Amino acid sequence: QTVVTQEPSFSVSPGGTVTLTCALSSGSVSTSYYPSWYQQTPGQAPRTLIYSTNTRSSGVPDRFSGSILGNKAALTITGAQADDECDYYCVLYMGSGSWVFGGGTKLTVL
Amino acid sequence: QLHLQESGPGLVKPSETLSLTCTVSGGSISSIDYYWGWIRQPPGKGLEWIGSFYYSGNTYYNPSLKSRVTISVDTSKNQFSLKLSSVTAADTAVYYCARIVRDGLCYFDFWGQGTLVTVSS
Repeated sequence: QTVVTQEPSFSVSPGGTVTLTCALSSGSVSTSYYPSWYQQTPGQAPRTLIYSTNTRSSGVPDRFSGSILGNKAALTITGAQADDECDYYCVLYMGSGSWVFGGGTKLTVL
Repeated sequence: QLHLQESGPGLVKPSETLSLTCTVSGGSISSIDYYWGWIRQPPGKGLEWIGSFYYSGNTYYNPSLKSRVTISVDTSKNQFSLKLSSVTAADTAVYYCARIVRDGLCYFDFWGQGTLVTVSS
């Protein structure tokens, strides 16, 4: 079964830059997997940040950006703010109407 | 504005069937532009895609849950439902319904608020 791996946790200083990644258990992540990224604060439904690798969802600040780095999908946060401290999930489209979620990254801003 | 609302029992006994409904307002589940799906999140853990459907009637399930999951649709009520059979404590989770954009984008753009289902006797 396909496994999508994210860093379990990451820490960034306020104002700093952090890149979270999303890897496949077998093979490389490419744009063909339409990677998307979601932000989730405790007790809330996920919020869409990035879709189709690098397109920001409506209302998402431009300090959030998506890309392919090497063989992984990546979410970069530039100028991290205190309210960026939450969980981030990547999702890959596996084709035939199916998706796989990564395990999520808990981001700490301190 | 699109709105999705999950509903159903918050407590289910082990070995029984979990049943949830997602009511959609502000958009049609018969739209050719979208899939619709279910996702769950056990307490303190990550998100897991359960399954999705397309208006044509095609359904798609997570292989790890496929033997226990059924997604059905009631277009007259603009609702879709989830049934998960033979539940155990491991199925305790917040269950979300969501809309999924098709056409080369393939992402979850609208989510319900989620509903907690606890499996316990």
